[in-house]
Amino acid sequence: QSVLTQPHSASGTPGQRVTISCSGSSSNIGSNSVFWYQQLPGTAPKLLICRNNQRPSGVPDRFSGSKSGTSASLAISGLRSEDEADYYCVVWDDSLSGRVFGGGTKLTVL
Amino acid sequence: EVQLVESGGGLVQPGGSLRLSCAASGLTFSSYWMSWVRQAPGKGLEWVANIKKDGSEKNYVDSVKGRFIISRDNAKNSLYLQMSSLRVEDTAVYFCHGDYDAPNRYFDYWGQGTLVTVSS
Repeated sequence: QSVLTQPHSASGTPGQRVTISCSGSSSNIGSNSVFWYQQLPGTAPKLLICRNNQRPSGVPDRFSGSKSGTSASLAISGLRSEDEADYYCVVWDDSLSGRVFGGGTKLTVL
Repeated sequence: EVQLVESGGGLVQPGGSLRLSCAASGLTFSSYWMSWVRQAPGKGLEWVANIKKDGSEKNYVDSVKGRFIISRDNAKNSLYLQMSSLRVEDTAVYFCHGDYDAPNRYFDYWGQGTLVTVSS
């Protein structure tokens, strides 16, 4: 059971907007920056969002991140078939003195 | 081109030891915090350990404390994970990860992973 809670699954049709939530606590999301990763089957994770809401170069602006209090969200607009993947939030936890990943959300594009 | 290449994975019996290596190229290795992240078959990502740029700070997930040791050699651009007293639940793909929070850009790189299987 991860200290960060994500929905197990999410889905949408092409062109739709979907959001994935990540719920934590004051010792992690409440006090540190949230990162989001995309992982395609059999590959290494790819950074989508850093520092809560910043996109590294090369990441399409269809992807956006936000944080409020002890929760964070990843939004994907203009959904495409290639967005079908697993998505993870990750953040440093001050109480654990370590990084924690959310359990991951499997996104299906219908 | 930045590359992180892991090696050292394989099959080991419970209670055994293994040393993973990660060879880095194409980046200023000594500027990066380095980490090991693992993924058990069919499961999510789990952060295992990280080490500061100069090796002066190390952190571990509770489940590996006292059994795993992370280290680095900046002269060789290499990261290591010495794993001992291995358990079946340590079976996973182990990824090498490096990140550098620069003022105007965030650098984030991953290796392709190396599989560790703990089984009798």
